[in-house]
Amino acid sequence: AQSVAQPEDQVNVAEGNPLTVKCTYSVSGNPYLFWYVQYPNRGLQFLLKYITGDNLVKGSYGFEAEFNKSQTSFHLKKPSALVSDSALYFCAVRDRSTNAGKSTFGDGTTLTVKP
Amino acid sequence: KAGVTQTPRYLIKTRGQQVTLSCSPISGHRSVSWYQQTPGQGLQFLFEYFSETQRNKGNFPGRFSGRQFSNSRSEMNVSTLELGDSALYLCASSRSSGGTNNEQFFGPGTRLTVL
Repeated sequence: AQSVAQPEDQVNVAEGNPLTVKCTYSVSGNPYLFWYVQYPNRGLQFLLKYITGDNLVKGSYGFEAEFNKSQTSFHLKKPSALVSDSALYFCAVRDRSTNAGKSTFGDGTTLTVKP
Repeated sequence: KAGVTQTPRYLIKTRGQQVTLSCSPISGHRSVSWYQQTPGQGLQFLFEYFSETQRNKGNFPGRFSGRQFSNSRSEMNVSTLELGDSALYLCASSRSSGGTNNEQFFGPGTRLTVL
Protein backbone atom coordinates (compact mmCIF):
# COMPACT_ATOMS: atom_id res chain seq x y z
CA ALA A 1 0.00 0.00 0.00
CA GLN A 2 1.12 3.55 -0.58
CA SER A 3 0.19 6.71 1.25
CA VAL A 4 1.02 10.40 1.42
CA ALA A 5 0.77 12.80 4.32
CA GLN A 6 0.74 16.56 4.07
CA PRO A 7 0.84 17.49 7.73
CA GLU A 8 -0.17 21.12 7.27
CA ASP A 9 -3.60 22.07 5.99
CA GLN A 10 -2.47 25.67 5.63
CA VAL A 11 0.83 27.48 5.19
CA ASN A 12 1.07 31.25 5.40
CA VAL A 13 4.13 33.18 4.30
CA ALA A 14 4.94 36.77 3.48
CA GLU A 15 5.84 37.70 -0.08
CA GLY A 16 9.57 37.50 -0.64
CA ASN A 17 10.13 34.98 2.14
CA PRO A 18 11.10 31.37 1.50
CA LEU A 19 8.31 28.82 1.59
CA THR A 20 8.18 25.12 2.41
CA VAL A 21 5.23 22.79 1.93
CA LYS A 22 5.80 19.46 3.63
CA CYS A 23 5.13 15.97 2.32
CA THR A 24 5.98 12.54 3.67
CA TYR A 25 5.22 9.29 1.93
CA SER A 26 5.07 5.56 2.38
CA VAL A 27 5.53 2.94 -0.35
CA SER A 28 6.62 -0.65 -0.27
CA GLY A 29 9.17 -0.19 -3.04
CA ASN A 30 10.93 2.78 -4.58
CA PRO A 31 8.81 5.86 -5.18
CA TYR A 32 8.01 8.22 -7.95
CA LEU A 33 7.05 11.52 -6.28
CA PHE A 34 5.14 14.45 -7.70
CA TRP A 35 3.93 17.91 -6.78
CA TYR A 36 0.87 19.47 -8.35
CA VAL A 37 -0.77 22.85 -7.85
CA GLN A 38 -4.45 23.68 -8.14
CA TYR A 39 -5.86 27.15 -8.60
CA PRO A 40 -9.52 27.85 -7.81
CA ASN A 41 -11.96 26.18 -10.20
CA ARG A 42 -9.12 24.63 -12.19
CA GLY A 43 -7.63 21.19 -12.57
CA LEU A 44 -4.26 20.25 -11.13
CA GLN A 45 -1.09 21.44 -12.82
CA PHE A 46 2.09 19.39 -12.75
CA LEU A 47 4.99 21.18 -11.00
CA LEU A 48 7.79 18.65 -10.72
CA LYS A 49 8.64 15.02 -10.18
CA TYR A 50 11.34 12.87 -8.65
CA ILE A 51 12.27 9.80 -10.62
CA THR A 52 15.82 8.98 -9.66
CA GLY A 53 19.21 10.59 -9.34
CA ASP A 54 19.67 14.06 -7.91
CA ASN A 55 17.78 14.52 -4.68
CA LEU A 56 17.04 18.16 -5.49
CA VAL A 57 14.49 18.45 -8.24
CA LYS A 58 13.76 21.73 -9.99
CA GLY A 59 10.36 22.41 -11.47
CA SER A 60 8.08 25.06 -12.87
CA TYR A 61 7.68 28.64 -11.56
CA GLY A 62 10.87 28.50 -9.50
CA PHE A 63 9.73 25.63 -7.29
CA GLU A 64 12.04 22.84 -6.21
CA ALA A 65 11.68 19.80 -4.01
CA GLU A 66 14.13 17.76 -2.01
CA PHE A 67 13.87 14.01 -1.87
CA ASN A 68 15.04 12.54 1.43
CA LYS A 69 14.93 8.77 1.43
CA SER A 70 15.84 8.29 5.08
CA GLN A 71 13.07 10.63 6.22
CA THR A 72 10.70 9.52 3.43
CA SER A 73 10.00 13.15 2.67
CA PHE A 74 9.62 15.24 -0.45
CA HIS A 75 9.16 18.83 0.70
CA LEU A 76 8.32 21.54 -1.81
CA LYS A 77 10.33 24.74 -1.56
CA LYS A 78 10.74 28.13 -3.14
CA PRO A 79 13.38 30.69 -2.15
CA SER A 80 11.14 33.73 -2.57
CA ALA A 81 7.35 33.45 -2.49
CA LEU A 82 5.02 35.44 -4.72
CA VAL A 83 1.42 36.39 -4.02
CA SER A 84 0.53 34.52 -7.21
CA ASP A 85 1.85 31.28 -5.64
CA SER A 86 -1.23 31.23 -3.40
CA ALA A 87 -3.03 28.01 -4.28
CA LEU A 88 -3.69 24.45 -3.18
CA TYR A 89 -0.70 22.13 -3.42
CA PHE A 90 -0.83 18.35 -3.67
CA CYS A 91 1.93 15.84 -3.18
CA ALA A 92 1.52 12.45 -4.87
CA VAL A 93 3.38 9.16 -4.72
CA ARG A 94 3.46 6.10 -6.91
CA ASP A 95 5.29 2.87 -6.29
CA ARG A 96 7.53 2.20 -9.30
CA SER A 97 5.98 -1.20 -9.76
CA THR A 98 2.45 0.19 -10.29
CA ASN A 99 0.86 1.98 -13.20
CA ALA A 100 0.63 5.73 -13.69
CA GLY A 101 -2.99 6.06 -12.73
CA LYS A 102 -2.51 4.47 -9.37
CA SER A 103 -1.00 7.54 -7.77
CA THR A 104 -1.99 8.40 -4.24
CA PHE A 105 -2.48 12.06 -3.46
CA GLY A 106 -2.17 13.87 -0.18
CA ASP A 107 -5.04 15.90 1.19
CA GLY A 108 -3.52 19.12 -0.05
CA THR A 109 -1.97 22.17 1.60
CA THR A 110 -3.38 25.63 1.04
CA LEU A 111 -0.57 28.11 0.58
CA THR A 112 -1.35 31.76 1.22
CA VAL A 113 1.26 34.36 0.37
CA LYS A 114 0.52 37.78 1.81
CA PRO A 115 1.86 41.01 0.32
CA LYS B 1 -0.31 21.35 -27.94
CA ALA B 2 -3.86 21.27 -26.63
CA GLY B 3 -4.32 20.22 -23.04
CA VAL B 4 -6.74 17.76 -21.54
CA THR B 5 -10.30 18.74 -22.23
CA GLN B 6 -13.36 17.70 -20.31
CA THR B 7 -17.00 18.14 -21.19
CA PRO B 8 -19.29 19.34 -19.90
CA ARG B 9 -17.71 21.72 -17.39
CA TYR B 10 -20.81 21.92 -15.24
CA LEU B 11 -23.71 19.55 -14.79
CA ILE B 12 -26.78 19.52 -12.58
CA LYS B 13 -28.69 16.30 -12.16
CA THR B 14 -31.27 14.88 -9.77
CA ARG B 15 -31.02 11.78 -7.65
CA GLY B 16 -31.58 8.56 -9.54
CA GLN B 17 -30.49 9.94 -12.89
CA GLN B 18 -27.37 8.87 -14.72
CA VAL B 19 -24.60 10.98 -16.18
CA THR B 20 -21.79 10.58 -18.70
CA LEU B 21 -18.65 12.68 -18.56
CA SER B 22 -16.15 12.94 -21.39
CA CYS B 23 -12.39 13.43 -21.46
CA SER B 24 -10.04 14.00 -24.38
CA PRO B 25 -6.39 13.46 -23.43
CA ILE B 26 -3.38 15.28 -24.75
CA SER B 27 -2.45 14.06 -28.20
CA GLY B 28 -0.13 11.07 -27.94
CA HIS B 29 -1.15 10.24 -24.38
CA ARG B 30 -2.57 6.78 -24.02
CA SER B 31 -3.27 6.61 -20.30
CA VAL B 32 -6.37 8.29 -18.89
CA SER B 33 -7.25 8.32 -15.22
CA TRP B 34 -10.31 9.65 -13.43
CA TYR B 35 -10.47 11.17 -9.96
CA GLN B 36 -13.25 12.45 -7.75
CA GLN B 37 -12.44 15.54 -5.73
CA THR B 38 -14.55 16.59 -2.76
CA PRO B 39 -13.78 18.91 0.15
CA GLY B 40 -14.15 16.11 2.67
CA GLN B 41 -12.40 13.24 0.87
CA GLY B 42 -9.80 15.03 -1.20
CA LEU B 43 -8.70 13.38 -4.45
CA GLN B 44 -9.96 9.84 -4.77
CA PHE B 45 -8.81 7.61 -7.63
CA LEU B 46 -11.64 6.14 -9.66
CA PHE B 47 -9.98 4.19 -12.47
CA GLU B 48 -7.30 4.23 -15.13
CA TYR B 49 -7.51 3.18 -18.75
CA PHE B 50 -4.67 2.40 -21.11
CA SER B 51 -5.14 1.24 -24.67
CA GLU B 52 -8.87 0.75 -24.14
CA THR B 53 -8.31 -1.52 -21.13
CA GLN B 54 -9.02 -0.72 -17.52
CA ARG B 55 -5.70 -1.07 -15.74
CA ASN B 56 -6.64 0.00 -12.22
CA LYS B 57 -9.77 0.64 -10.24
CA GLY B 58 -10.32 2.51 -7.02
CA ASN B 59 -12.75 1.74 -4.23
CA PHE B 60 -15.96 3.01 -5.76
CA PRO B 61 -19.24 1.17 -6.21
CA GLY B 62 -20.22 -0.42 -9.48
CA ARG B 63 -22.41 2.58 -10.29
CA PHE B 64 -19.19 4.21 -11.46
CA SER B 65 -17.92 2.87 -14.74
CA GLY B 66 -15.78 4.02 -17.60
CA ARG B 67 -14.38 3.17 -20.95
CA GLN B 68 -11.73 4.28 -23.37
CA PHE B 69 -11.97 4.49 -27.11
CA SER B 70 -9.38 3.68 -29.75
CA ASN B 71 -8.45 7.38 -30.03
CA SER B 72 -7.72 7.40 -26.27
CA ARG B 73 -10.75 9.53 -25.45
CA SER B 74 -12.47 8.34 -22.33
CA GLU B 75 -15.90 8.52 -20.78
CA MET B 76 -17.07 7.81 -17.29
CA ASN B 77 -20.61 7.03 -16.35
CA VAL B 78 -22.36 7.28 -13.02
CA SER B 79 -25.74 5.59 -12.75
CA THR B 80 -28.43 6.05 -10.11
CA LEU B 81 -26.93 9.29 -8.87
CA GLU B 82 -26.81 9.99 -5.15
CA LEU B 83 -26.41 13.32 -3.36
CA GLY B 84 -22.94 12.23 -2.28
CA ASP B 85 -21.81 11.99 -5.88
CA SER B 86 -21.69 15.78 -6.06
CA ALA B 87 -18.05 16.54 -6.73
CA LEU B 88 -15.46 17.80 -9.16
CA TYR B 89 -14.52 14.96 -11.49
CA LEU B 90 -11.01 15.27 -12.85
CA CYS B 91 -9.53 13.49 -15.79
CA ALA B 92 -5.77 13.14 -16.15
CA SER B 93 -3.70 11.85 -19.02
CA SER B 94 -0.14 10.65 -19.20
CA ARG B 95 2.03 9.43 -22.01
CA SER B 96 2.48 5.98 -20.56
CA SER B 97 0.94 3.82 -17.91
CA GLY B 98 4.25 2.68 -16.48
CA GLY B 99 7.79 3.91 -16.83
CA THR B 100 9.11 7.38 -16.23
CA ASN B 101 6.88 9.40 -18.56
CA ASN B 102 4.21 9.18 -15.98
CA GLU B 103 3.42 12.67 -14.77
CA GLN B 104 -0.24 13.33 -15.17
CA PHE B 105 -1.78 16.30 -16.90
CA PHE B 106 -5.18 17.22 -15.61
CA GLY B 107 -8.21 18.67 -17.29
CA PRO B 108 -10.24 21.50 -15.74
CA GLY B 109 -12.78 19.06 -14.37
CA THR B 110 -16.52 18.59 -14.56
CA ARG B 111 -18.43 20.01 -11.63
CA LEU B 112 -21.36 17.65 -10.97
CA THR B 113 -24.13 18.75 -8.66
CA VAL B 114 -26.77 16.22 -7.66
CA LEU B 115 -30.01 17.67 -6.29
